[in-house]
Amino acid sequence: DGGITQSPKYLFRKEGQNVTLSCEQNLNHDAMYWYRQDPGQGLRLIYYSQIVNDFQKGDIAEGYSVSREKKESFPLTVTSAQKNPTAFYLCASRSRNENSPLHFGNGTRLTVT
Amino acid sequence: DAKTTQPNSMESNEEEPVHLPCNHSTISGTDYIHWYRQLPSQGPEYVIHGLTSNVNNRMASLAIAEDRKSSTLILHRATLRDAAVYYCILRGSGGYQKVTFGIGTKLQVIP
Repeated sequence: DGGITQSPKYLFRKEGQNVTLSCEQNLNHDAMYWYRQDPGQGLRLIYYSQIVNDFQKGDIAEGYSVSREKKESFPLTVTSAQKNPTAFYLCASRSRNENSPLHFGNGTRLTVT
Repeated sequence: DAKTTQPNSMESNEEEPVHLPCNHSTISGTDYIHWYRQLPSQGPEYVIHGLTSNVNNRMASLAIAEDRKSSTLILHRATLRDAAVYYCILRGSGGYQKVTFGIGTKLQVIP
Protein backbone atom coordinates (compact mmCIF):
# COMPACT_ATOMS: atom_id res chain seq x y z
CA ASP A 1 0.00 0.00 0.00
CA GLY A 2 1.22 3.51 -0.76
CA GLY A 3 1.73 5.91 2.05
CA ILE A 4 4.05 7.94 4.21
CA THR A 5 6.25 6.31 6.78
CA GLN A 6 7.72 8.20 9.67
CA SER A 7 10.21 6.52 11.92
CA PRO A 8 10.67 6.01 14.72
CA LYS A 9 7.30 6.57 16.40
CA TYR A 10 8.97 7.62 19.67
CA LEU A 11 12.42 9.15 20.00
CA PHE A 12 14.32 10.18 23.10
CA ARG A 13 17.43 12.35 23.11
CA LYS A 14 19.59 14.24 25.52
CA GLU A 15 19.74 18.00 25.29
CA GLY A 16 22.53 19.23 23.06
CA GLN A 17 22.34 16.35 20.59
CA ASN A 18 21.21 16.67 17.01
CA VAL A 19 18.58 14.17 15.94
CA THR A 20 17.23 13.25 12.51
CA LEU A 21 13.63 12.23 11.91
CA SER A 22 12.89 10.08 8.89
CA CYS A 23 10.08 10.59 6.40
CA GLU A 24 9.67 8.33 3.38
CA GLN A 25 6.82 8.25 0.86
CA ASN A 26 6.06 5.86 -1.99
CA LEU A 27 3.21 7.89 -3.43
CA ASN A 28 5.39 9.51 -6.10
CA HIS A 29 4.49 12.91 -4.66
CA ASP A 30 6.49 15.98 -5.57
CA ALA A 31 5.88 18.15 -2.52
CA MET A 32 6.70 17.25 1.05
CA TYR A 33 6.15 19.12 4.32
CA TRP A 34 7.26 19.02 7.95
CA TYR A 35 5.02 20.25 10.75
CA ARG A 36 5.43 20.51 14.48
CA GLN A 37 2.55 20.08 16.91
CA ASP A 38 2.63 20.95 20.60
CA PRO A 39 0.00 19.71 23.08
CA GLY A 40 -3.39 21.31 22.46
CA GLN A 41 -2.02 23.29 19.54
CA GLY A 42 -2.45 23.23 15.80
CA LEU A 43 0.20 22.32 13.26
CA ARG A 44 3.02 24.74 12.57
CA LEU A 45 4.98 24.52 9.33
CA ILE A 46 8.73 24.00 9.68
CA TYR A 47 9.95 23.39 6.13
CA TYR A 48 8.50 22.32 2.82
CA SER A 49 9.93 21.09 -0.45
CA GLN A 50 8.37 21.33 -3.88
CA ILE A 51 10.93 19.29 -5.83
CA VAL A 52 14.13 17.39 -5.29
CA ASN A 53 17.08 19.54 -4.18
CA ASP A 54 14.82 22.46 -3.29
CA PHE A 55 13.12 23.46 -0.04
CA GLN A 56 11.72 26.56 1.66
CA LYS A 57 11.46 27.69 5.25
CA GLY A 58 8.08 27.58 6.87
CA ASP A 59 6.95 29.63 9.84
CA ILE A 60 9.25 28.12 12.48
CA ALA A 61 12.41 26.94 10.67
CA GLU A 62 14.93 28.16 13.25
CA GLY A 63 16.82 25.27 14.82
CA TYR A 64 15.84 22.81 12.11
CA SER A 65 17.40 21.67 8.84
CA VAL A 66 16.20 19.48 5.99
CA SER A 67 17.45 17.89 2.80
CA ARG A 68 15.68 16.59 -0.29
CA GLU A 69 18.17 14.48 -2.19
CA LYS A 70 15.56 11.96 -3.33
CA LYS A 71 11.93 12.40 -4.26
CA GLU A 72 10.87 9.76 -1.74
CA SER A 73 12.71 11.12 1.27
CA PHE A 74 12.59 14.36 3.28
CA PRO A 75 14.51 13.94 6.55
CA LEU A 76 14.31 16.59 9.26
CA THR A 77 17.21 17.30 11.60
CA VAL A 78 16.41 18.90 14.92
CA THR A 79 19.59 20.66 15.93
CA SER A 80 20.84 21.61 19.36
CA ALA A 81 19.95 25.20 18.46
CA GLN A 82 16.24 24.42 18.69
CA LYS A 83 15.32 25.70 22.16
CA ASN A 84 12.18 23.61 22.72
CA PRO A 85 12.52 20.49 20.58
CA THR A 86 10.13 18.24 22.51
CA ALA A 87 7.05 17.94 20.31
CA PHE A 88 5.06 15.75 17.91
CA TYR A 89 6.50 15.98 14.38
CA LEU A 90 4.37 15.30 11.33
CA CYS A 91 5.46 14.79 7.74
CA ALA A 92 3.12 15.18 4.77
CA SER A 93 3.21 15.01 1.01
CA ARG A 94 1.00 15.86 -1.94
CA SER A 95 0.99 15.31 -5.66
CA ARG A 96 1.35 17.78 -8.49
CA ASN A 97 -2.43 18.04 -9.07
CA GLU A 98 -3.60 21.48 -8.10
CA ASN A 99 -5.97 20.52 -5.32
CA SER A 100 -4.58 17.23 -4.26
CA PRO A 101 -4.96 16.64 -0.53
CA LEU A 102 -2.10 16.34 1.89
CA HIS A 103 -1.23 12.82 3.00
CA PHE A 104 0.22 12.65 6.50
CA GLY A 105 2.39 10.12 8.25
CA ASN A 106 1.55 9.04 11.79
CA GLY A 107 4.17 11.24 13.34
CA THR A 108 7.25 10.98 15.53
CA ARG A 109 7.02 12.02 19.15
CA LEU A 110 10.38 13.49 20.15
CA THR A 111 11.31 13.94 23.79
CA VAL A 112 14.48 15.81 24.69
CA THR A 113 15.63 15.83 28.30
CA ASP B 1 -1.98 33.93 4.02
CA ALA B 2 -5.73 34.06 4.32
CA LYS B 3 -6.74 32.82 7.76
CA THR B 4 -9.60 30.73 9.07
CA THR B 5 -11.42 30.99 12.38
CA GLN B 6 -13.04 28.00 14.07
CA PRO B 7 -14.54 27.42 17.52
CA ASN B 8 -12.07 25.74 19.85
CA SER B 9 -14.44 22.95 20.80
CA MET B 10 -17.90 21.53 20.14
CA GLU B 11 -20.01 18.71 21.51
CA SER B 12 -22.47 16.45 19.78
CA ASN B 13 -24.62 13.54 20.78
CA GLU B 14 -23.98 10.26 19.07
CA GLU B 15 -26.07 9.62 15.95
CA GLU B 16 -27.03 13.26 15.63
CA PRO B 17 -25.83 15.59 12.86
CA VAL B 18 -22.91 17.88 13.54
CA HIS B 19 -22.28 21.24 11.89
CA LEU B 20 -18.72 22.49 12.25
CA PRO B 21 -18.36 26.15 11.23
CA CYS B 22 -15.39 27.94 9.71
CA ASN B 23 -15.02 31.64 8.96
CA HIS B 24 -12.64 32.80 6.25
CA SER B 25 -13.61 36.39 5.54
CA THR B 26 -10.35 37.20 3.70
CA ILE B 27 -10.60 34.28 1.28
CA SER B 28 -9.44 35.07 -2.25
CA GLY B 29 -11.31 34.06 -5.37
CA THR B 30 -8.96 31.18 -6.14
CA ASP B 31 -8.67 29.72 -2.63
CA TYR B 32 -10.09 26.26 -2.09
CA ILE B 33 -11.53 25.30 1.30
CA HIS B 34 -10.11 22.06 2.66
CA TRP B 35 -11.08 20.12 5.78
CA TYR B 36 -8.94 17.61 7.63
CA ARG B 37 -9.42 15.76 10.89
CA GLN B 38 -6.91 14.42 13.37
CA LEU B 39 -7.47 11.54 15.77
CA PRO B 40 -5.35 11.44 18.94
CA SER B 41 -1.68 10.60 18.34
CA GLN B 42 -2.20 10.30 14.58
CA GLY B 43 -1.54 12.47 11.56
CA PRO B 44 -4.42 14.45 10.09
CA GLU B 45 -6.50 12.86 7.35
CA TYR B 46 -8.22 14.59 4.48
CA VAL B 47 -12.00 14.90 4.74
CA ILE B 48 -13.31 17.07 1.91
CA HIS B 49 -12.68 20.21 -0.11
CA GLY B 50 -14.59 22.67 -2.28
CA LEU B 51 -14.43 25.99 -4.08
CA THR B 52 -17.93 27.43 -4.50
CA SER B 53 -20.48 24.65 -4.70
CA ASN B 54 -21.54 22.39 -1.88
CA VAL B 55 -19.76 19.03 -1.92
CA ASN B 56 -20.62 15.58 -0.63
CA ASN B 57 -18.50 12.48 -0.14
CA ARG B 58 -18.72 9.33 1.91
CA MET B 59 -17.28 11.03 4.99
CA ALA B 60 -19.08 14.36 5.11
CA SER B 61 -20.71 17.27 3.32
CA LEU B 62 -19.30 20.74 2.84
CA ALA B 63 -21.64 23.71 2.65
CA ILE B 64 -20.08 26.92 1.35
CA ALA B 65 -21.73 30.28 1.84
CA GLU B 66 -22.67 32.21 -1.25
CA ASP B 67 -20.12 34.94 -0.48
CA ARG B 68 -17.56 32.24 0.39
CA LYS B 69 -16.67 33.98 3.64
CA SER B 70 -17.70 30.96 5.66
CA SER B 71 -18.27 27.24 5.30
CA THR B 72 -19.68 24.39 7.34
CA LEU B 73 -18.55 20.79 7.55
CA ILE B 74 -21.52 18.53 8.13
CA LEU B 75 -21.27 15.07 9.65
CA HIS B 76 -24.66 13.55 9.07
CA ARG B 77 -24.66 11.09 11.98
CA ALA B 78 -21.89 11.51 14.49
CA THR B 79 -20.27 8.36 15.82
CA LEU B 80 -17.73 7.96 18.59
CA ARG B 81 -15.09 7.48 15.91
CA ASP B 82 -15.76 11.02 14.70
CA ALA B 83 -14.33 12.47 17.90
CA ALA B 84 -11.29 14.34 16.62
CA VAL B 85 -9.84 17.77 15.94
CA TYR B 86 -11.21 19.21 12.69
CA TYR B 87 -9.16 21.70 10.72
CA CYS B 88 -10.46 24.09 8.09
CA ILE B 89 -7.70 25.47 5.85
CA LEU B 90 -7.46 27.49 2.67
CA ARG B 91 -5.42 26.34 -0.31
CA GLY B 92 -4.49 28.67 -3.12
CA SER B 93 -4.44 27.39 -6.64
CA GLY B 94 -1.34 27.20 -8.75
CA GLY B 95 1.98 25.74 -7.79
CA TYR B 96 3.07 24.33 -4.50
CA GLN B 97 2.34 26.76 -1.73
CA LYS B 98 2.95 26.46 1.93
CA VAL B 99 -0.04 24.96 3.69
CA THR B 100 -0.76 26.27 7.17
CA PHE B 101 -3.12 24.96 9.82
CA GLY B 102 -4.82 26.69 12.74
CA ILE B 103 -5.82 25.18 16.07
CA GLY B 104 -8.98 23.55 14.71
CA THR B 105 -12.16 22.48 16.49
CA LYS B 106 -12.06 19.64 18.97
CA LEU B 107 -15.25 17.64 18.55
CA GLN B 108 -16.48 15.58 21.45
CA VAL B 109 -19.13 12.97 20.74
CA ILE B 110 -21.30 12.01 23.68
CA PRO B 111 -22.68 8.46 23.76
